[in-house]
Amino acid sequence: GQQLNQSPQSMFIQEGEDVSMNCTSSSIFNTWLWYKQDPGEGPVLLIALYKAGELTSNGRLTAQFGITRKDSFLNISASIPSDVGIYFCARARDNYGQNFVFGPGTRLSVLP
Amino acid sequence: DAGVTQSPTHLIKTRGQHVTLRCSPISGHKSVSWYQQVLGQGPQFIFQYYEKEERGRGNFPDRFSARQFPNYSSELNVNALLLGDSALYLCASSAQGGIGGYTFGSGTRLTVV
Repeated sequence: GQQLNQSPQSMFIQEGEDVSMNCTSSSIFNTWLWYKQDPGEGPVLLIALYKAGELTSNGRLTAQFGITRKDSFLNISASIPSDVGIYFCARARDNYGQNFVFGPGTRLSVLP
Repeated sequence: DAGVTQSPTHLIKTRGQHVTLRCSPISGHKSVSWYQQVLGQGPQFIFQYYEKEERGRGNFPDRFSARQFPNYSSELNVNALLLGDSALYLCASSAQGGIGGYTFGSGTRLTVV
């Protein structure tokens, strides 16, 4: 099917630690996105990936599009309290990349 | 510049009623999509409109409908509300028809009682 799996479901880390989370799909698609959602807000786009093997950074965030085109990971380095939130991966529903299927999310808590 | 704006922010409706949710995209964005986010889950795609035409529809019943106006704003309509329609309804806009991702609004929290 079109479902995405994200792991871990939730994680608690100490401020300053690095974080890694991943997303897998049973199908191959051409676009992967990573979003972060704060309570009471809509998701905010963090990183977009368009090519197998692509590695892209956005400040302390780094994401990679797996070479099999069925997975992606997101790393956060030196976590800070404002990193708290839910991180969603999303991939295009079709090869036109216009609509997206979202994963169930990874809930991140950062302990001071 | 204003981001994606949605109204109302919160709404309580009774089962069987009808609801209309509104969305104004970022200025210059011609594509609008609607997503439903049930508590504890990721957003689920409902509709996409681009240049006032429906470009995509998710797996939702016919009780859900939408349209896009000449100024690119959009409405999502839901008829015969069910308890299970309670969710955060997110509107998102894009300049490129969705390619490259969307900018989301803060959503409308709909509670059906």
